[in-house]
Amino acid sequence: GNSVTQMEGPVTLSEEAFLTINCTYTATGYPSLFWYVQYPGEGLQLLLKATKADDKGSNKGFEATYRKETTSFHLEKGSVQVSDSAVYFCALGNAGGTSYGKLTFGQGTILTVHP
Amino acid sequence: DVKVTQSSRYLVKRTGEKVFLECVQDMDHENMFWYRQDPGLGLRLIYFSYDVKMKEKGDIPEGYSVSREKKERFSLILESASTNQTSMYLCATSRAGAADTQYFGPGTRLTVL
Repeated sequence: GNSVTQMEGPVTLSEEAFLTINCTYTATGYPSLFWYVQYPGEGLQLLLKATKADDKGSNKGFEATYRKETTSFHLEKGSVQVSDSAVYFCALGNAGGTSYGKLTFGQGTILTVHP
Repeated sequence: DVKVTQSSRYLVKRTGEKVFLECVQDMDHENMFWYRQDPGLGLRLIYFSYDVKMKEKGDIPEGYSVSREKKERFSLILESASTNQTSMYLCATSRAGAADTQYFGPGTRLTVL
């Protein structure tokens, strides 16, 4: 079955530091990959996604590249801000069949950025 | 923009009570999902629905049931609440077909005493 493994948290950084949150996956076929972000007191919202190998998703300065050879989708940002403090979830989903749009989520990584 | 609303942000119930959590979406999405979120465990799928009156069990359906009588509304029911069902409950929706973006509601934090 499908599974997603994220790096253990929490992660604490100073403002303007470089961020990497690792995500690896196990899946059948050719899944789509997602990063979601959850700000305090809110639901999840899509941060970025990639639907095929070597695609790069990007949004708000965050990037992630779909690496099929290493089954990874690591999230990166060159210079984090205090406002990036949130919980980040990696997720995957399979197209078609009886998947019905289900996504499999990682356990989440808490990021705290200090001024 | 997709709007997904949940009936309550915070809810406190007693053990044994029947609890209803409601989710409403305004974007005509076919798929709707109920998750629970617990620290260190991420999101776990309880039930989902791909059409009116259609429902499928997720990974942790025990102790829960669902109802989808209208396309825009998906209810999660705790038949007899227990303390181990204290959690954050999140509803999400998506279009039919390929693995697509899910849109989430703000969540309901349920405490069972």
